[in-house]
Amino acid sequence: SQKIEQNSEALNIQEGKTATLTCNYTNYSPAYLQWYRQDPGRGPVFLLLIRENEKEKRKERLKVTFDTTLKQSLFHITASQPADSATYLCALFSGGYNKLIFGAGTRLAVHP
Amino acid sequence: DSGVTQTPKHLITATGQRVTLRCSPRSGDLSVYWYQQSLDQGLQFLIQYYNGEERAKGNILERFSAQQFPDLHSELNLSSLELGDSALYFCASSVDRGGLNTGELFFGEGSRLTVL
Repeated sequence: SQKIEQNSEALNIQEGKTATLTCNYTNYSPAYLQWYRQDPGRGPVFLLLIRENEKEKRKERLKVTFDTTLKQSLFHITASQPADSATYLCALFSGGYNKLIFGAGTRLAVHP
Repeated sequence: DSGVTQTPKHLITATGQRVTLRCSPRSGDLSVYWYQQSLDQGLQFLIQYYNGEERAKGNILERFSAQQFPDLHSELNLSSLELGDSALYFCASSVDRGGLNTGELFFGEGSRLTVL
């Protein structure tokens, strides 16, 4: 069956370090992958989209990689700040099913 | 502000009851998506409408139904409510030319449903 896996445990890092979050998937051939940020009790907010033919995408302090061979995406936040503390969700679009499916998310806590 | 409006923000009701959640998409967006988020399940895709027609269906219970009206607002109807239906229900909209998801979703702030 299709699965999207994100680290269920919270990631705790020191301010200024690089946070790296992982999204693994099985039994999907996604046309693209998206990353969202969600704060407690709020709706998810779109951050980045990367297509299957792109290896890497950057936006300010954010970087996403997409390895379709490993079936994995990595999401990096450089020079992290306490304000980056949130839950980060990856989402895959499966054209065959015409659905945008979300992973369970990884909670990031950046400590001063 | 995403431009997506959901009402009500909070709703408390009893088991067996029926509720309607409403969503107004961003101006110009033709697609509306409904997701359910509970503590132990993450964001679960329920259903997508595009320009008034159902385009994709997820694990939506038979007790739940949705529709999108000519003005593109959407309603999610939940009936015969059970304790397990307590969750945050999110609506999202997207441009989605042709009905297929083509990019980012803009989420509303959600409707928190509590079933007692």
